[in-house]
This record gives sequence, structure tokens and C-alpha cells, in this order.
Amino acid sequence: GGIITQTPKFLIGQEGQKLTLKCQQNFNHDTMYWYRQDSGKGLRLIYYSITENDLQKGDLSEGYDASREKKSSFSLTVTSAQKNEMAVFLCASSIDRNSGNTLYFGEGSRLIVV
Amino acid sequence: GQQVQQSPSSLVLQEGENAELQCNFSSTATQLQWFYQSPGGSLVSLLSNPSGTKHTGRLTSTTVTKERRSSLHISSSQTTDSGTYLCAIDTGYQNFYFGKGTSLTVIP
Repeated sequence: GGIITQTPKFLIGQEGQKLTLKCQQNFNHDTMYWYRQDSGKGLRLIYYSITENDLQKGDLSEGYDASREKKSSFSLTVTSAQKNEMAVFLCASSIDRNSGNTLYFGEGSRLIVV
Repeated sequence: GQQVQQSPSSLVLQEGENAELQCNFSSTATQLQWFYQSPGGSLVSLLSNPSGTKHTGRLTSTTVTKERRSSLHISSSQTTDSGTYLCAIDTGYQNFYFGKGTSLTVIP
């Protein structure tokens, strides 16, 4: 089996600050994702990447940057943190099996903006 | 528009009762996955079921691809089953869309 590790678990920053979340996976999966989870709104896709150095925008990409410098890691940057951005950020990776893509998640990182 | 709709939004059961959760989606799905999320926890994959019926333990999922719907049946519910159940589809572009989930509470 493998694991997806997100750091930090809690990220506290000030309004207007640039903040970065990191994600590492040892599944050797090609595709990685960043989702944002807000209470009552479900999960919304921010960015995903189908291979090293690839980036694809999701529905919620405005205000965020992402970077996939190597296959095992995918980072997400909040370019200017806002108080309404306090949410849980979930990293995931997927493998394409004969039965379709299967998604695996990390433990999540909670962003707190003060 | 919303790609994935789940119902009911919340469900309360007595321990031992069965639960039936529904997921309807508006696009063709090449994959459908059910997840469990405990309060404050991350998402754990329960079943991948793009079509047909699959069983694992007390869980049974039935997906009717042509009708764009899937169900998750939990038999003999236990208090430890309490949490949120999420349905997600891949529309074929490796981009998963999630429903808002069903919150299940099982009381002893």
C-alpha cells in the first residue's frame, strides 16, 4: 500500500499572506489533485495534474497557484489569503485501472486566516 | 450545473436498521466512487463501482450507468457507521466531481 502525506496539518496565516500547502504520495500515481472542502458545499476541485510539470485548472482555481515539480509531489499556494478561505484542503492521487480511475486522499490541511 | 446530487442529505437510524443512500449524476461517468468521511476526518474509499453491483462487507453498491444513478446500501447499521458518505464521478477527463454527501447518524 501507499500513503499520501499533507503538510502542514494546520496552516495559520494573516490576511493577504501567500501560503503554501504540500502533498507527497508514494503510490507512484500519475494524477494528483487539490480539493477544497467547505462545510455544506462538498468538495470542489482547485487544480489537478496528470503528470510531472502538468497543471490543469479546476472550477475553483482563481486565487491559487499549483506546482508539480516531480511525480510524487504536488503543492498548492494561496496567493493572497482571505478570511473567507478558511477551509480544509484535501490532496488526492489516482491510478487508472481497467475498472476506471480510483481516487485516494490524504488527511487534509486546515487553513486558518487571522 | 451540479454534476452530482445525493439524497437524502441526512439520515438517522436505529442501530441494526438498513440504510439506502442515493447518488444521481448529470454526465456520463467512466468511474463512480463511494467515500466515507468521519467527523473531522479524511475521505476513505469504500467502493469503486462504475456499473453493476458490488459488495464489500455490509456494503452493496448498485450503479445503473444508463440511468445515471448509483445507490449504496448499508446493512445492519452500527454506531461506528455514523459520518458522511460522499459519491464522486469521473467524467472521463480524470476530473472527479463530488456530491455534497449524506450525513448518517446511527443511534444505539
